[in-house]
Amino acid sequence: KQEVTQIPAALSVPEGENLVLNCSFTDSAIYNLQWFRQDPGKGLTSLLLIQSSQREQTSGRLNASLDKSSGRSTLYIAASQPGDSATYLCAVINVGGSQGNLIFGKGTKLSVKP
Amino acid sequence: ETGVTQSPTHLIKTRGQQVTLRCSSQSGHNTVSWYQQALGQGPQFIFQYYREEENGRGNFPPRFSGLQFPNYSSELNVNALELDDSALYLCASSPGGRGPPSGANVLTFGAGSRLTVL
Repeated sequence: KQEVTQIPAALSVPEGENLVLNCSFTDSAIYNLQWFRQDPGKGLTSLLLIQSSQREQTSGRLNASLDKSSGRSTLYIAASQPGDSATYLCAVINVGGSQGNLIFGKGTKLSVKP
Repeated sequence: ETGVTQSPTHLIKTRGQQVTLRCSSQSGHNTVSWYQQALGQGPQFIFQYYREEENGRGNFPPRFSGLQFPNYSSELNVNALELDDSALYLCASSPGGRGPPSGANVLTFGAGSRLTVL
């Protein structure tokens, strides 16, 4: 059974710091891995999607890497801003799973202090 | 182009009651998935609908049921509500149909329906 773990559960940093969020998964047979952002009481916003054949994806100040063989992904946020404060979730789709069946971690709650 | 819309945004029910949550998929999307997100947890997959049929189900009991309509909108029904059903219920749509996911099959999530069971 696929399990997705995110470390740390919570993180507080001063504005301007670079930071790394970690995600691990137990079964490497995945179609893709996706990082989401969730603001309090809101839905999910997709940030980056990495196909199983890819190693990384970048969007602005965000960079996500994928090491499928070791079951790990990292989300790197450069020059953090207070507006980055949110919960960050990673999710995978297993090979053989339906496209809507994402398996999520519990998230990392990020707080960026001005 | 509109995104995914869900209704109601908040509702309160008592134990044993039934609830129906609604979701309108994004224009051009034919697949809808439902998730349950308890406080402090990641979303848990309930089921997926494609062309009005259930196409994949998570570990949820039969009292969780759904429908998809010809316009691809969807309903989630929960019978015999329990206290642990209190959660944020998220709907997501995608354009990809029954096949495996590809780069284009990115889910678009709605803002959710917050259900409280007393």
